[in-house]
Amino acid sequence: DQQVKQNSPSLSVQEGRISILNCDYTNSMFDYFLWYKKYPAEGPTFLISISSIKDKNEDGRFTVFLNKSAKHLSLHIVPSQPGDSAVYFCAATGSGNTGKLIFGQGTTLQVKP
Amino acid sequence: GAGVSQTPSNKVTEKGKYVELRCDPISGHTALYWYRQSLGQGPEFLIYFQGTGAADDSGLPNDRFFAVRPEGSVSTLKIQRTERGDSAVYLCASSSYSGTRGEQFFGPGTRLTVL
Repeated sequence: DQQVKQNSPSLSVQEGRISILNCDYTNSMFDYFLWYKKYPAEGPTFLISISSIKDKNEDGRFTVFLNKSAKHLSLHIVPSQPGDSAVYFCAATGSGNTGKLIFGQGTTLQVKP
Repeated sequence: GAGVSQTPSNKVTEKGKYVELRCDPISGHTALYWYRQSLGQGPEFLIYFQGTGAADDSGLPNDRFFAVRPEGSVSTLKIQRTERGDSAVYLCASSSYSGTRGEQFFGPGTRLTVL
């Protein structure tokens, strides 16, 4: 069973506009969530995280929102830049998980100049 | 400083052969993870080391897969009697935290192709 789901395989936005990437999870034991960015032929790179005691975390152009009741989180990128074009993975972990990350399937973001 | 490195970057082997994949974590990182990424999927957890010991190997798919980290630094993932379904990118990550809430730093991966 897929405990972390990213239902949109791809997203295309215009440079300067907002990109919103979504992620849903099913396991109530998850209490820490992360977003990773991946370029071709490279490993995933950490972007931003959020603890379940918060509902928002912001870092520059990147903001992650967490809705625990809906088991949903989203990543907002404002403004989007062509260099943001990559695959974005949502990941989750819980206190009993030894830190192992459970990843979604990924969303490919294309930012058009 | 240097990031996580993995060798080889690509490995092509024949069905039934044995392969070893190597991971050099960031110096001083005590936590080391192996993941496997199949085409169109996110990384899937295989095994977690804290120091020299495997603290969680619940993700290893079967007993053909084995990993070691004898000195608490470099790790080797070993796959016996490879099958075509083992073809994937094998990713290694390290972290300075244990039971982590911290960032995991990933290597570029080893692309394994089993013919």
